[in-house]
Amino acid sequence: SQQGEEDPQALSIQEGENATMNCSYKTSINNLQWYRQNSGRGLVHLILIRSNEREKHSGRLRVTLDTSKKSSSLLITASRAADTASYFCAEVYNQGGKLIFGQGTELSVKP
Amino acid sequence: DAGITQSPRHKVTETGTPVTLRCHQTENHRYMYWYRQDPGHGLRLIHYSYGVKDTDKGEVSDGYSVSRSKTEDFLLTLESATSSQTSVYFCAISPGLSSGANVLTFGAGSRLTVL
Repeated sequence: SQQGEEDPQALSIQEGENATMNCSYKTSINNLQWYRQNSGRGLVHLILIRSNEREKHSGRLRVTLDTSKKSSSLLITASRAADTASYFCAEVYNQGGKLIFGQGTELSVKP
Repeated sequence: DAGITQSPRHKVTETGTPVTLRCHQTENHRYMYWYRQDPGHGLRLIHYSYGVKDTDKGEVSDGYSVSRSKTEDFLLTLESATSSQTSVYFCAISPGLSSGANVLTFGAGSRLTVL
């Protein structure tokens, strides 16, 4: 399978805590993206990090990329109940137009 | 989901029947994709298109065919549906890497049940 791996598969935390999700991928990438999916809906793009970047911030989101380990992590700080969703990473290759998604992390934030 | 619509949103069919799902976009994006989503597997790429009449296979293309006769429409066909093709199907569009990053915009999904 070309799919990368994400861990944990499920994460349950209290409001106000930080949530960290990890993604590993298999080949050289142009960029790596993170998406969010609320139950029963399509995916929505959150943040992107390019292969020559090591860290990126957007509001309460922080993404890191380690190309030597072929891994990325998404940190959501000061989580809210509204952050409850599934989160997916997606590898974007240099050639062609494929995006390959990981299996996702299901985040539950309890009030 | 502005700019991208999928139809039908729900369909129940019987094993062995043909099924066509339609994805329509109004963004004039070059790339269009079909993914399926199943518990435990996340999203898996079925086929994608990088232009009119230009398509390529994804990770799980067996049993599926696609066509793109115009920029705005991308059809996914199951020639003879099987129960293993019961899934939620998502269409996505993107302008491609030439725009900088190839960020996808997803449709709302089509839930297909094959009895």
